[in-house]
Amino acid sequence: EIVLTQSPGTLSLSPGERATLSCRASQSISSTYLAWYQQKPGQAPRLLIYGASSRATGVPDRFSGSGSGTDFTLTISRLEPEDFAVYYCQQYGNSPPLTFGGGTKLEIK
Amino acid sequence: QITLKESGPTLVKPTQTLTLTCTFSGFSLSTSGVGVGWIRQPPGKALEWLALIYWDDDKRYSPSLNNRLTITKDTSKNQVVLIMANMDPVDTATYYCAHRLGWFGDAFDIWGQGTTVTVSS
Repeated sequence: EIVLTQSPGTLSLSPGERATLSCRASQSISSTYLAWYQQKPGQAPRLLIYGASSRATGVPDRFSGSGSGTDFTLTISRLEPEDFAVYYCQQYGNSPPLTFGGGTKLEIK
Repeated sequence: QITLKESGPTLVKPTQTLTLTCTFSGFSLSTSGVGVGWIRQPPGKALEWLALIYWDDDKRYSPSLNNRLTITKDTSKNQVVLIMANMDPVDTATYYCAHRLGWFGDAFDIWGQGTTVTVSS
């Protein structure tokens, strides 16, 4: 089973700043099958990025994904107030099981 | 427009069997590449994948829960059912069903609103 470790656990930033979230896998993920989700309180997760770097439909271009192998990054270039949420990575290249990271909470500083 | 909605009991007793239904619209589970998965989230915790069923009736389960889970589909009703046996208080969570991304792989692009299940005597 591939374990995904997200860091930091909590990230405190201000609107307008750049956010960099990390997701590290315990072993290499084949074919960059890595996704990122955003979840706001009381809501279902929303797919942001798939295939490590492809934005899902309707996702603003301030969100970008990068990485390969075991190290992946979600970058939000300029934070908007609505971006403060919890972010999860998920691998789907080596399954079952599909696995999620523990999440990074992005909070307003 | 793709939508999914979960339904089922909000409260179950320990050792009982949980049956959840995902009713969807906007796609067919008989179309190549299509799949529906179940994911849960205990209060204040991370997401955990449970099961996934594909258009060809192939099924995948979380190894840690494999012996407790059964996933089935009814294409004519546009429904997917998840059965979880021998429920325990640690299974208290919000349960989501979600639409598979298709040929891009087993990520989930559309999610239901979730249904909260509490396991307590």
